[in-house]
Amino acid sequence: EVQMVESGGGLVKPGGSLRLSCAASGFTFSDYSLNWVRQAPGKGLEWVSSISSSSTYIYYADSVKGRFTISRDNAKNSLYLQMNGLRAEDTAMYYCARVSSSLNFNFWGQGTQVTVSS
Amino acid sequence: QSALTQPRSVSGSPGQSVTISCTGTSGEVSTYNYVSWYQQHPGKSPKLMIYDVTKRPSGVPDRFSGSKSGNTASLTISGLQAEDEADYYCCSYAGTYRFYVFGTGTKVTVL
Repeated sequence: EVQMVESGGGLVKPGGSLRLSCAASGFTFSDYSLNWVRQAPGKGLEWVSSISSSSTYIYYADSVKGRFTISRDNAKNSLYLQMNGLRAEDTAMYYCARVSSSLNFNFWGQGTQVTVSS
Repeated sequence: QSALTQPRSVSGSPGQSVTISCTGTSGEVSTYNYVSWYQQHPGKSPKLMIYDVTKRPSGVPDRFSGSKSGNTASLTISGLQAEDEADYYCCSYAGTYRFYVFGTGTKVTVL
């Protein structure tokens, strides 16, 4: 059974940092591209970042470029999101999602909540 | 990165059909056949319902169908059931600059 479990969320002050993790199991982790998608309270889904299976290709939404860094450790079946310079507008539930060969998000974690507030 | 445009809400009685539109602003829907649709119940993670515009993952009821015309994609739910009440989001691959763009989301209410 495919499982993706996020962790690392919490309350942080503006300008602060957090590192999110996503532990995966039930599939060959190194075969898949992975993404972070977020959802602000009461709002829609927003794609944040994508990393290819071997970390060769990395992409970011303009809203986080230069502040967030996506990475992965295929030996540990883990995906990460280092978030620096956090702003109030980064407050959201952050989901990790596996991408299929058809460029869709076919498995999602349960999410981890990030709140940026003084 | 502008979101794809969806109606804020649609509603229907059990057994009826509803259709949700998803309109792109920069040709992403018309250019790529990588449109997908996600269902999200309150407090839950999104679930893939349609991919590649028209395909259904295993386990998704066949009352869910997708289509595309020009820069507008559509999700149709036929034979609406109470458990279909949820938020629905479209998503399109948008090329190597914007990568993925989601729709604004549509709340489906079963009357």
